[in-house]
Amino acid sequence: EVQLVESGGGLVQPGGSLRLSCGASGFTFSDYWMYWVRQAPGKGPVWVSRLNRDGSSTTYADSVKGRFAISRDNAKNTLYLQMHSLRVEDTAVYYCARAPLLGSIYYFDNWGQGTLVTVSS
Amino acid sequence: DIQMTQSPSSLSASVGDRVAITCRASQSISSHLNWYQQKPGEAPKLLIYAASSLQSGVPSRFSGSGSGTDFTLTISSLQPEDFATYYCQQTYSTITFGQGTRLEIK
Repeated sequence: EVQLVESGGGLVQPGGSLRLSCGASGFTFSDYWMYWVRQAPGKGPVWVSRLNRDGSSTTYADSVKGRFAISRDNAKNTLYLQMHSLRVEDTAVYYCARAPLLGSIYYFDNWGQGTLVTVSS
Repeated sequence: DIQMTQSPSSLSASVGDRVAITCRASQSISSHLNWYQQKPGEAPKLLIYAASSLQSGVPSRFSGSGSGTDFTLTISSLQPEDFATYYCQQTYSTITFGQGTRLEIK
């Protein structure tokens, strides 16, 4: 069974840092591009970042560029999101998601349960 | 970024009804359109990918259609477990989601 389990969320003050982790099991982690998606309370999902299979190519949403860093350890089957200079507007549930690739088509077929990040003084 | 506009924003329906949710892209996205269902406190769940392909394990009462800029998610006969919020997502360029359609029991 495919499982993605996020951890590392919590309450942090504006300007602070946090590192999220996403542990993967039930599939060959290194075969998949991985994504972080966040969802503010009462809002729709928003894509945050993506990482290719070997960790050599990253992409970020403009809202987090320069503040967040995505990485992975394929030996540990774990995806990370290092977050710096956190803002109140970064408050959200953060999900990791797996993306199969069918030619140029991709989608998120498995998501973790999410971890809540609250940025507040 | 490509804007995705869903309609309606909310919908009231009864068990057994046929319902349709539409999603319009601000520019052509070919068939790079996915649909998700989300229930309170849960992660989104993939229903339809590539506009019309049914994800494994998803009931056949769910179907998707469209290409270019206009897409539709249809539920042929609503079941009690289908009352949830539905999102479209485009992956043609920088990923964006629609604002969601909340499907409520009438």
